[in-house]
Amino acid sequence: AQKITQTQPGMFVQEKEAVTLDCTYDTSDQSYGLFWYKQPSSGEMIFLIYQGSYDEQNATEGRYSLNFQKARKSANLVISASQLGDSAMYFCAMREGLEHRTGGFKTIFGAGTRLFVKA
Amino acid sequence: DARVTQTPRHKVTEMGQEVTMRCQPILGHNTVFWYRQTMMQGLELLAYFRNRAPLDDSGMPKDRFSAEMPDATLATLKIQPSEPRDSAVYFCASALQGTITEAFFGQGTRLTVV
Repeated sequence: AQKITQTQPGMFVQEKEAVTLDCTYDTSDQSYGLFWYKQPSSGEMIFLIYQGSYDEQNATEGRYSLNFQKARKSANLVISASQLGDSAMYFCAMREGLEHRTGGFKTIFGAGTRLFVKA
Repeated sequence: DARVTQTPRHKVTEMGQEVTMRCQPILGHNTVFWYRQTMMQGLELLAYFRNRAPLDDSGMPKDRFSAEMPDATLATLKIQPSEPRDSAVYFCASALQGTITEAFFGQGTRLTVV
């Protein structure tokens, strides 16, 4: 069974500093994708970054990077140089299977971490 | 600007009434997800479709919820009869099978059942 765990309900970070949001996952599938989404107070879900289970390098997108440790089954999000606009809920998600699998493509989400950026 | 469109954005209804939420996926996307978000349960996957066929609706209460895709440009989620515990934000998301990419979310329908 799939499971995503985000152990930090809330995090505070000083503006311009880096912050790491934790995510661990559990799957028996060898092929999967890991995602991070941001949900600001307006409510929409914004895709941030993706990491495939076979990707050898950690994914990066601007100020976002994903610290992928496959053996530990962790996929932590690192936000560098935090900005006030980064204050939001952050969700880690996993999608099991790749296109060659039938019946795959199911995505589940963790409980989220609320990030507060202090001025 | 390709986006997932959900209607209505807000819905207040009385207990026992039927509620229908609609979703227009991004043109060309063949996978559609329905999620429900509450404070207590977070984001729950209710159902998802590929090429209009339901692949998994195990997260959906079968007695009152139903999800369909009448055509490739419309997905619907229906609750009949609605109950106060159904109050939540319902998100639709779409994706394209065969590409390792994110699912694009709509802005959600905020449902309040009184």
